[in-house]
Amino acid sequence: GAVVSQHPSWVICKSGTSVKIECRSLDFQATTMFWYRQFPKQSLMLMATSNEGSKATYEQGVEKDKFLINHASLTLSTLTVTSAHPEDSSFYICSAREGKGAYEQYFGPGTRLTVT
Amino acid sequence: QQQVKQSPQSLIVQKGGISIINCAYENTAFDYFPWYQQFPGKGPALLIAIRPDVSEKKEGRFTISFNKSAKQFSLHIMDSQPGDSATYFCAATPYSNSGYALNFGKGTSLLVTP
Repeated sequence: GAVVSQHPSWVICKSGTSVKIECRSLDFQATTMFWYRQFPKQSLMLMATSNEGSKATYEQGVEKDKFLINHASLTLSTLTVTSAHPEDSSFYICSAREGKGAYEQYFGPGTRLTVT
Repeated sequence: QQQVKQSPQSLIVQKGGISIINCAYENTAFDYFPWYQQFPGKGPALLIAIRPDVSEKKEGRFTISFNKSAKQFSLHIMDSQPGDSATYFCAATPYSNSGYALNFGKGTSLLVTP
């Protein structure tokens, strides 16, 4: 149980275009989802927290107009990187928390974004 | 500001040996301490977790030791295997109905040699 999927697993896009990454909880309802960014050989950096039906809460330094997060249902959250630039190239990972009162967070397999 | 400090940064252990990774925290509001295992190009996988009401938790070859007074916790991997070679992250979070994010350590790259 507690499986989180991400799509796509990798994507290459041209500078200036937008890219949407999906995060789904497959076998549980996720009231809270988190989006992280990870650079090579580094730890996970929290970008934003989203609760179903609410606006996402962004971490300091993360541009909310650039990284659009939507958590429209209890099983789906999306991250859209708008007007992507090469410096946005990174490994993006989502995690989901199984319902209120639960501690455990389960991570998706990640999405490798390369902006050319 | 790193809320969870993890050491060592890298670790080499022979097959069959014990791998030990340590973490320390300052925030006394933290009350959930998970360990994640991450292979290259993959998302982190929850390995084992502990709450402060116990001092040790064991699952197979993996054991968490927790010292509340010292605000430290550690992961022990017994009988380490080459397949355990991965990056390990400790994390901590306070309890909240709305869901606080995990505070991660910087990670430990473990290499288990044959």
